[in-house]
Amino acid sequence: QSALTQPASVSGSPGQSITISCTGTRSDVGGYSYVSWYQQHPGKAPKLMIYEVSNRPSGVSNRFSGSKSGNTASLSISGLQAEDEADYYCSSYTRDSTYVFGTGTKVTVL
Amino acid sequence: QVQLVQSGAEVKKPGASVKVSCKASGYTFTSYYMHWVRQAPGQGLEWMGIINPSGGSTTYAQKFQGRVTMTRDTSTSTLYMQLSSLRSEDTAVYYCARDRSVTKGDAFDIWGQGTMVIVSS
Repeated sequence: QSALTQPASVSGSPGQSITISCTGTRSDVGGYSYVSWYQQHPGKAPKLMIYEVSNRPSGVSNRFSGSKSGNTASLSISGLQAEDEADYYCSSYTRDSTYVFGTGTKVTVL
Repeated sequence: QVQLVQSGAEVKKPGASVKVSCKASGYTFTSYYMHWVRQAPGQGLEWMGIINPSGGSTTYAQKFQGRVTMTRDTSTSTLYMQLSSLRSEDTAVYYCARDRSVTKGDAFDIWGQGTMVIVSS
């Protein structure tokens, strides 16, 4: 199972909006609604930000939103803040009843 | 509160085995599937496998089949992940993570703090 494809880096100024893409296949992202997104700060465990494509867990800011079209899922962050600077990973359930993560995206707040 | 507490760092020689533990608290241990995920230094997340704490059934990533064993002890609400025939490429932080759904196929909502495993001669 190959990792899902994410851009290596995305940057934006405070207050701006950014979008991170996550491209897979019909066997994973395109075939299921079980796409999730994680935020990871250096030296910390990942934190769930979005589950089932577009749902936010309790406590996650509504500046974070998710969507999916075909084999590509996306995470959008609006009103970018310094605290949003982190690595972001997507994940999907797969046809083989396994899971796969994305390659990861480093978000930089300029 | 819901939490997962993992065992401490390990240093192993190539060819050896390592067993990492993950103690759950604050919820019904047998109600949620559990995953193991690893992250090599400076690298991304890698899914290793999943275990049903209720019945003990497992599914492993193809990459680790034959080398990884995931078990659980329901009496102590503890998970275990054993990786054998260690090589330098297995140097990583190993995380346990809970599936947010009572049926697998969802997302990882609670994570352990991670266990660093270093493989070095």
